Amino acid sequence: NAGVTQTPKFQVLKTGQSMTLQCAQDMNHEYMSWYRQDPGMGLRLIHYSVGAGITDQGEVPNGYNVSRSTTEDFPLRLLSAAPSQTSVYFCASRGLAGTAYNEQFFGPGTRLTVL
Amino acid sequence: GDSVTQMEGPVTLSEEAFLTINCTYTATGYPSLFWYVQYPGEGLQLLLKATKADDKGSNKGFEATYRKETTSFHLEKGSVQVSDSAVYFCALSPSNDYKLSFGAGTTVTVRA
Repeated sequence: NAGVTQTPKFQVLKTGQSMTLQCAQDMNHEYMSWYRQDPGMGLRLIHYSVGAGITDQGEVPNGYNVSRSTTEDFPLRLLSAAPSQTSVYFCASRGLAGTAYNEQFFGPGTRLTVL
Repeated sequence: GDSVTQMEGPVTLSEEAFLTINCTYTATGYPSLFWYVQYPGEGLQLLLKATKADDKGSNKGFEATYRKETTSFHLEKGSVQVSDSAVYFCALSPSNDYKLSFGAGTTVTVRA
């Protein structure tokens, strides 16, 4: 049981380049989400999904796209990278059964630098 | 909207000292409250949680009590170790939603 996995661990991009951050979970969780972590700002929600084929915007969605074709995978796409997107990105998942107190499980993160 | 405010760091302590990190929240209804911990170079992991007023969450010597009257969820540990050095995040999940709202995080360094 690998939990939540993310690739790559580190990435450097030039302004204007595009890329996809990969996220996968093997816990059969319906809910998956992407956060970015910036100093002094905690984690901010970018996009989330409550199941395959269903996605929605979080607090800071601009410049990012997501899709959810399977329960396991939830990739995050940067369409045209900007220096303001330099951050650490975390993917998380949780089951929907029960209530809001279910634990979210986090991946190890991807550290992205945009030059 | 819902929000979490936690004390700013960084906090530096000596081993065996008492640690407290303040956390207050703004939310409607009865949110669930969490403390997550992030060790250096790692992702976040759940430290403890509380789902209703007066609940006490505890784990690894850490405790936090859900105080509805003061909208607080302060984290405490009586005797910290070097291995407790990490970033601590307070978070809430609204009663009718799955999303987490995080505080800014508090960096704690424990010196031997």
